[in-house]
Amino acid sequence: GEDVEQSLFLSVREGDSSVINCTYTDSSSTYLYWYKQEPGAGLQLLTYIFSNMDMKQDQRLTVLLNKKDKHLSLRIADTQTGDSAIYFCAESIENTGKLIFGQGTTLQVKP
Amino acid sequence: KAGVTQTPRYLIKTRGQQVTLSCSPISGHRSVSWYQQTPGQGLQFLFEYFSETQRNKGNFPGRFSGRQFSNSRSEMNVSTLELGDSALYLCASSTGSGNTIYFGEGSWLTVV
Repeated sequence: GEDVEQSLFLSVREGDSSVINCTYTDSSSTYLYWYKQEPGAGLQLLTYIFSNMDMKQDQRLTVLLNKKDKHLSLRIADTQTGDSAIYFCAESIENTGKLIFGQGTTLQVKP
Repeated sequence: KAGVTQTPRYLIKTRGQQVTLSCSPISGHRSVSWYQQTPGQGLQFLFEYFSETQRNKGNFPGRFSGRQFSNSRSEMNVSTLELGDSALYLCASSTGSGNTIYFGEGSWLTVV
């Protein structure tokens, strides 16, 4: 079936690295995404990775994909207080135009 | 380049009424998807439209419907509103052939 799992909460100190993990079940995923949601706002696309890649770096963000274990992670380097938000992992299901989301990980950044 | 625009941003309706929400995708994007976000169920897929055709539908009752116009703008309608329909409704826009999918700010619906 289609299922995406994330841990619910992560707390880090400003300046540290944050790593948010996600597991998914559908083998037919084409793309995997990370979105950020701030209070009262919509979803902001942070980055995405094609399912045949194993790593993607974009400034402070690094995405690692282990397709064998169906494990995805998002590393935020030099985490800032402005990074405090809920982070959602999502997989796109091939030929459906549909995203399956995890429950979201609340990232708390302490000064 | 303008982003995904959703209107209205906030609305309050009474049980039994109906509501129509609108979404204008990014220029050149032909796919529009709708999602419902609630604290209990998280983000759930409602339906996706591409070039005025519904390509896929989530597991929601028939009270939830949508359509897409020739300019790619989309509307979703919820009839006979229930308290449980209170949610943030998010619209997503893409070219329809994968990779980047962008979301709007959402429409907050409260049913009283």
